[in-house]
Amino acid sequence: AQTVTQSQPEMSVQEAETVTLSCTYDTSENNYYLFWYKQPPSRQMILVIRQEAYKQQNATENRFSVNFQKAAKSFSLKISDSQLGDTAMYFCAFMKAGNMLTFGGGTRLMVKP
Amino acid sequence: GAVVSQHPSWVICKSGTSVKIECRSLDFQATTMFWYRQFPKQSLMLMATSNEGSKATYEQGVEKDKFLINHASLTLSTLTVTSAHPEDSSFYICSARAAGRTPLGEQFFGPGTRLTVL
Repeated sequence: AQTVTQSQPEMSVQEAETVTLSCTYDTSENNYYLFWYKQPPSRQMILVIRQEAYKQQNATENRFSVNFQKAAKSFSLKISDSQLGDTAMYFCAFMKAGNMLTFGGGTRLMVKP
Repeated sequence: GAVVSQHPSWVICKSGTSVKIECRSLDFQATTMFWYRQFPKQSLMLMATSNEGSKATYEQGVEKDKFLINHASLTLSTLTVTSAHPEDSSFYICSARAAGRTPLGEQFFGPGTRLTVL
């Protein structure tokens, strides 16, 4: 079974600064996918970024980028130029192809003005 | 984009009654739908996986007779909480996997349903 660990229950960052959220996972699989989801106060789950394990290049989506270290089983999320709207719960998730998602415990991010 | 709706968005019921929550994929067909439960300040916990036209697969510890799941069509799955009790109060989220839409089998999430049992 896969496990996903987010070691930072809460984090805060000043507006316009950069913050990195940590995620580690455990799996014996070689082909899989990793995701970061955002859950704002509305509680709607929003996909932030995805990474295919077979790709060495780190995924980026505008201000969001990941540092994917496959050997270390690490998948951190970097948010640049933080905005007030980035305040939310962030969940790291693991998925084997076509299979179910396994979520980490989440990190609550507060962006301060 | 792929839109998933849930109805109702919130519901309050008395202990002992049953509550049905609907999950619909609005602009795509979903061969598989997932039901999650989320307690305050906690992560999403998968309750069950439902495939259209077949019985749902429940995760360990989830009572299938209490949480009835029906996936009768490619756009609709329902979760019925039977004989609800206060400990069933939670936020229930569904997600849907689009049939052949993406190679990842990406899941699209509904907005959730807040259930409060008095």
